[in-house]
Amino acid sequence: DTQMTQSPSSLSASVGDRVTITCRASQSISSYLNWYQQKPGKAPKLLIYAASNLQSGVPSRFSGSGSGTDFTLTISSLRPEDFATYYCQQFYSTPSTFGQGTKLEIK
Amino acid sequence: QVQLVQSGAEVKKPGASVKVSCRASGYTFTSYGINWVRQAPGQGLEWMGWINPYNGNRNYAQKLQGRVTMTTDTSTSTAYMDLRSLRSDDTAIYYCARNVAGYDAFDIWGQGTMVTVSS
Repeated sequence: DTQMTQSPSSLSASVGDRVTITCRASQSISSYLNWYQQKPGKAPKLLIYAASNLQSGVPSRFSGSGSGTDFTLTISSLRPEDFATYYCQQFYSTPSTFGQGTKLEIK
Repeated sequence: QVQLVQSGAEVKKPGASVKVSCRASGYTFTSYGINWVRQAPGQGLEWMGWINPYNGNRNYAQKLQGRVTMTTDTSTSTAYMDLRSLRSDDTAIYYCARNVAGYDAFDIWGQGTMVTVSS
């Protein structure tokens, strides 16, 4: 199975900050990388698919980049509603696997 | 609107089976794949498998092979996930999720179904 490792596991930041979350795959996954946001008690929400494509309705302050094994999710200017847990997911090979999550907390 | 609505919470004993339903509305059910993802309490996300409602093709995570069966009923636009020989570590929230058209990402999710396995 392809292992996905996110860093950091947790992050404290302030409203207005620029934040970057990294996801590394244990083998090349081309651009088959998605990012999700999950808030407590809610289902995940798709933010980015195919590494850099913004899902419809997602604010443009979210962006994704990378290919191969290294990927990033960037939030350009944090808003209060962005404090949540973020997961990357690879779908290059079966089984699809998720990173362990990055919890973004208010400083 | 486009939505997936799942069945309610379940409590099962070890060794039993559970069947979770996921009813789709607001779109053509046979045009999009349905995935199942679970999340143990306080843990991350685990992909369980996928089914194509159009032709019934499916793909299960190897670790669940032999215990899981995914089916669909196109007459009611409902997907089902059946998990057998339940163990305590199957305790989790189970989600169904729709594939983005033409890509393996999940754009619409059900609200989740809590399955508790306890003696």
